[in-house]
Formats: sequence, structure tokens, C-alpha cells
Amino acid sequence: DVVMTQSPLSLPVTLGQPASISCRSSQSLVYSDGNTYLNWFQQRPGQSPRRLIYKVSNRDSGVPDRFSGSGSGTDFTLKISRVEAEDVGVYYCMQGTHWPWTFGQGTKVEIK
Amino acid sequence: QVQLVQSGAEVKKPGASVKVSCKASGYTFTSYDINWVRQATGQGLEWMGWMNPNSGNTGYAQKFQGRVTMTRNTSISTAYMELSSLRSEDTAVYYCARGDVGSGSIDYWGQGTLVTVSS
Repeated sequence: DVVMTQSPLSLPVTLGQPASISCRSSQSLVYSDGNTYLNWFQQRPGQSPRRLIYKVSNRDSGVPDRFSGSGSGTDFTLKISRVEAEDVGVYYCMQGTHWPWTFGQGTKVEIK
Repeated sequence: QVQLVQSGAEVKKPGASVKVSCKASGYTFTSYDINWVRQATGQGLEWMGWMNPNSGNTGYAQKFQGRVTMTRNTSISTAYMELSSLRSEDTAVYYCARGDVGSGSIDYWGQGTLVTVSS
């Protein structure tokens, strides 16, 4: 199985400051069709996960533009340009290129 | 709007089975895969498998092979996940989630069903 490794696992951030989460995969996530199926999910306390980003950098409808995704191959990043109180939660990367789909361990974002 | 509404919490004894339902609305049920993902308390997300509601075809993560069965009833737009031979380590919230066609992804999630395995 493809191992997804996130860092850091805990990220205290000051309101209004940027935040960055890294996700590395044990194999390239480029599929045979040329697409890279790397996704980011946000899980607020007590809620179901919500997708933020798909195919590395495509933001879902309704997701604030302070969230952005980037990367290629095995190395990916989720950035929050200015953290707001509502961004508190756990963020997961997930790969949908290789069977079975696998998630990172999660990064807990909290306010300092 | 797309909604996935799951059945309520369950308490089961070790060795028993549990069947969780997931009722879809707001879209054509047979046009999107249904995935199942679980999350133990305070832990991360674990993908269990998928089902194509149109064909009934399924694919299970190796860890759950032989213990999990995913089925559907298209007449009521409902998917089911049954897990057998339950053990304490299966205590978790189980989510159904819609597969997003062509993006190797999940776009909508159910509210989750807590399954507690305890003697």
C-alpha cells in the first residue's frame, strides 16, 4: 500500500498568519492517464470530513481561496494564507491513484 | 443537494456482525460509487472499500477481505456495509462517502455511524 506521510502532525498557528502542511507519498501519484489524484480534506471537531482540494490544486466549490494546494510526484503541500478561527481541525491528505486509497495520519491545526 | 444519511449508532458484542445503511438523495444513486471509510476514536481515516451501485461490483481493502460485504438496494437509493466477526478494535465511526467520478476522490460524506464493540 502507498504510505502517505504528513508533517507536522500538530500545527499551532496565530490567527491571520499562514500555515503549511506537507504530505509525501511512498510512490509517485501520477496515474497512467497523466492525472495526479491527491486530495486534501478538513475535519472540524465533531464533524464529518469535508473535501477542500482534489487533483493536487483544484479547490472545491465554497472553499475559501485562502486554501491552496500544490506539488507533484510524491511531494505535496496544503497552504492556508491567513488562518482564521474556523480553520481549526484536522487536515488529511489522501491518494486516489493506487489501490487501495490511503490517507495521511492527519495534521491538527490549532490556534496559539 | 447531495445528502448521505446513515443509520444510527450500534452496540455489538465481540463475534457479532453489524450492518450500516447509507441513504442517498439529491443525485442519481447509480451514477456514483459509494465508499466506506472508518475512524477509530481520536484516530485517522481508514478506507475500507467501494461499491458501484449500478453493477454491484465491489472492491475491498485487503485488511477487511472476508469480513466486509458492501451491497445496495437501488429501489430505495441505499447502500449497506456489513462487517462480521467484530472485535474491540472495530469500534469506530463508519462513514459512507460518494466517489467523485474521474477524480480519484470522495466529494460528499455521510454523518457517520458509531459502532461500539463491547462485551
